[in-house]
Amino acid sequence: GAVVSQHPSRVICKSGTSVKIECRSLDFQATTMFWYRQFPKKSLMLMATSNEGSKATYEQGVEKDKFLINHASLTLSTLTVTSAHPEDSSFYICSATQGDNEQFFGPGTRLTVL
Amino acid sequence: QKEVEQNSGPLSVPEGAIASLNCTYSDRGSQSFFWYRQYSGKSPELIMFIYSNGDKEDGRFTAQLNKASQYVSLLIRDSQPSDSATYLCAVTSGNEKLTFGTGTRLTIIP
Repeated sequence: GAVVSQHPSRVICKSGTSVKIECRSLDFQATTMFWYRQFPKKSLMLMATSNEGSKATYEQGVEKDKFLINHASLTLSTLTVTSAHPEDSSFYICSATQGDNEQFFGPGTRLTVL
Repeated sequence: QKEVEQNSGPLSVPEGAIASLNCTYSDRGSQSFFWYRQYSGKSPELIMFIYSNGDKEDGRFTAQLNKASQYVSLLIRDSQPSDSATYLCAVTSGNEKLTFGTGTRLTIIP
């Protein structure tokens, strides 16, 4: 149980385009979903916290107009990177929690912006 | 600013020996402590969590927490080559948000 999926696993796009990443909890209802970004050889940095039906809470320094988060249901959250640039190339990871302390991580999405 | 500090390594340990990974945290209000393993190109997977001072054992893994010293460690007994990975320490402080350390890269030498 407690499986989180992400789609796509890997995406390459041109600079200036927008990319949508989906995060789904497959066998449980997630009260909260989190979006992280990880640059090579660096740790995970929390970007935002997402609750179903409400606006995401963004961490300091994360542009909410650039990283749009929609948490449409208890099993789906999406992250859209708008007008992507090469510096947005990174490994994006979501996680989901059922309300206790344990976060279940998705497999990650590798974004490369050319 | 809440900080979680780890030695980035690499830490090299012979196969069969004990690997010791350390982590310190700055927020005295931290309540829950997690160790994750991350293989290259993959997302983190939870190894252990600990809430109370002392030791917690699970198979070959032992987590140790000392809140007075703001220190948490992970011991891996009988290290195997498959244990080679980056180990991430993470803490929460009363909410669900995880603050991660930078990770320690562990290499088990056959």
